[in-house]
Amino acid sequence: DAKTTQPTSMDCAEGRAANLPCNHSTISGNEYVYWYRQIHSQGPQYIIHGLKNNETNEMASLIITEDRKSSTLILPHATLRDTAVYYCIVRFRQGAQKLVFGQGTRLTINP
Amino acid sequence: DAGITQSPRYKITETGRQVTLMCHQTWSHSYMFWYRQDLGHGLRLIYYSAAADITDKGEVPDGYVVSRSKTENFPLTLESATRSQTSVYFCASRPGQGADTQYFGPGTRLTVL
Repeated sequence: DAKTTQPTSMDCAEGRAANLPCNHSTISGNEYVYWYRQIHSQGPQYIIHGLKNNETNEMASLIITEDRKSSTLILPHATLRDTAVYYCIVRFRQGAQKLVFGQGTRLTINP
Repeated sequence: DAGITQSPRYKITETGRQVTLMCHQTWSHSYMFWYRQDLGHGLRLIYYSAAADITDKGEVPDGYVVSRSKTENFPLTLESATRSQTSVYFCASRPGQGADTQYFGPGTRLTVL
């Protein structure tokens, strides 16, 4: 699985959009980009995933650059409950079983 | 309630004792996983199971035993607990090959004295 690089921490004001970047310059053509988050003392929670097209669901949007070497997770209207560690994971959709969690980005939403 | 549950949520034990952490899911998901989470290491896969009676090692299997006699249960046993096994343990499940999302339980915080 390709390695990812994320900022260690970020802050965002409540009600604003939170944009979390992720670099994955060694991504291969069949690897997907997944985002999970972990709220303090809870298990990780799936947010969204994509291959090359931008994706949107009820939680977030995922923007993947055309060369697929980086992506951005967007929380459109961040709330205090979005304070968590956000993990960007690159992996093949099938085959490899484990999720390799890096250190992630600690996002703090400020009132 | 539907979902994935873990028990106990908190456990304190002593070095050398056997401890079993339970994981139960109500979705009939094929795959189940055990991870441990430690400061500085993130989540690491201990064991996983593709179906009942099929298990395989992850990154850090030493000192752990798993079984899966029923699809919905995936217990993790520490046969002789050590202090280095003090950690938070997460169980997860996912529907099957081709499915993308893993669903995590709430975790068990284990302290080995």
